[in-house]
Amino acid sequence: AQSVTQPDIHITVSEGASLELRCNYSYGATPYLFWYVQSPGQGLQLLLKYFSGDTLVQGIKGFEAEFKRSQSSFNLRKPSVHWSDAAEYFCAVGAGGNKLVFGAGTILRVKS
Amino acid sequence: DGGITQSPKYLFRKEGQNVTLSCEQNLNHDAMYWYRQDPGQGLRLIYYSQIVNDFQKGDIAEGYSVSREKKESFPLTVTSAQKNPTAFYLCASSIVSTGNTEAFFGQGTRLTVV
Repeated sequence: AQSVTQPDIHITVSEGASLELRCNYSYGATPYLFWYVQSPGQGLQLLLKYFSGDTLVQGIKGFEAEFKRSQSSFNLRKPSVHWSDAAEYFCAVGAGGNKLVFGAGTILRVKS
Repeated sequence: DGGITQSPKYLFRKEGQNVTLSCEQNLNHDAMYWYRQDPGQGLRLIYYSQIVNDFQKGDIAEGYSVSREKKESFPLTVTSAQKNPTAFYLCASSIVSTGNTEAFFGQGTRLTVV
């Protein structure tokens, strides 16, 4: 069965510092991978997605993610974090039948 | 503007009552989904529908029911059989494709049992 692991429940970074959020997936075929962001009490917004092709994908708000098949990973990165990036981030894998399987999420705190 | 509208934003329910959460979309998407979100558990799929008048159980369907009488609407009923209904509920929609496609989410409904 498909699964997604986000090893870090909470991460705290200083404003202006770089960020990497980890995501590992389990899926038998070529995965469809997504990163979503959620502000408190709100819905989810798509940051970026990987379907095929270039393994480094660019998203909104200056985020990027790299697909590494050998490591079953799809880590999210940002070179310089802004205070407005504080939110919860979810990695998801397409589970076939247009369904998504989500990780447990990583809460990002930004300190000034 | 196209999007997904969930209502109400907050809902309080007494134990033993059924409640219905509304989800409407004007994105012309065929597929619609209901997820439940609990702290530290991510999103878990309750029900999904890929076409009008058809729907399938997700991973945690017990105690919930849905209907899909119109393409635009996918209401979720939380029944009294759901033992722990207090949670944040998210509705989503997507196109139907042979691979996978991104889902678009509503703003959620927070249900509290009092």
